[in-house]
Amino acid sequence: GENVEQHPSTLSVQEGDSAVIKCTYSDSASNYFPWYKQELGKRPQLIIDIRSNVGEKKDQRIAVTLNKTAKHFSLHITETQPEDSAVYFCAASMEGGADGLTFGKGTHLIIQP
Amino acid sequence: KAGVTQTPRYLIKTRGQQVTLSCSPISGHRSVSWYQQTPGQGLQFLFEYFSETQRNKGNFPGRFSGRQFSNSRSEMNVSTLELGDSALYLCASSLDSTGLNRGYTFGSGTRLTVV
Repeated sequence: GENVEQHPSTLSVQEGDSAVIKCTYSDSASNYFPWYKQELGKRPQLIIDIRSNVGEKKDQRIAVTLNKTAKHFSLHITETQPEDSAVYFCAASMEGGADGLTFGKGTHLIIQP
Repeated sequence: KAGVTQTPRYLIKTRGQQVTLSCSPISGHRSVSWYQQTPGQGLQFLFEYFSETQRNKGNFPGRFSGRQFSNSRSEMNVSTLELGDSALYLCASSLDSTGLNRGYTFGSGTRLTVV
């Protein structure tokens, strides 16, 4: 089955700086890669996703890049703000498949004032 | 429109008991998935239901089961509870598990504590 590795487990950045979280996946059949943000005590919320037919997707301060050959994808957050502090999870799945999402272990992003 | 609703929010059970958790998906969503979240193992896939059929099941023992009703509401059941079953159980709904829209919306979860 699919295996997703996520790094780093904790990331501390100064407010205003950029943050990058990286994930690798093992199953070349995976073609859907969402990112979720989970604030303390709250549910995971989808912040951006990318499908394997594109290499990059942006939404304001958030971007995701995908390298299918290397089987890795990354989340980029620019101009970080205090409200960006949360745990971020990457995931991989095959659209139309029935194995659900395979999640990375999460990255605790801390924004230092 | 209303989001994904999970009940109850909190549960405390004793080892050996069984428990049933409920999930109502977003109106119009036909796919419901269940995930277990623990500090050590993170988010792990339990099973997915679509049109009342279980499409697949993650690597969990047979004590974990579920079902989906004709109105897309889903329940999961855990029998013979063990201390290690203590976790946040999250339900996620999506429009169609076979189409291009694979986005999942999560509920707030049920926090199960086994003592």
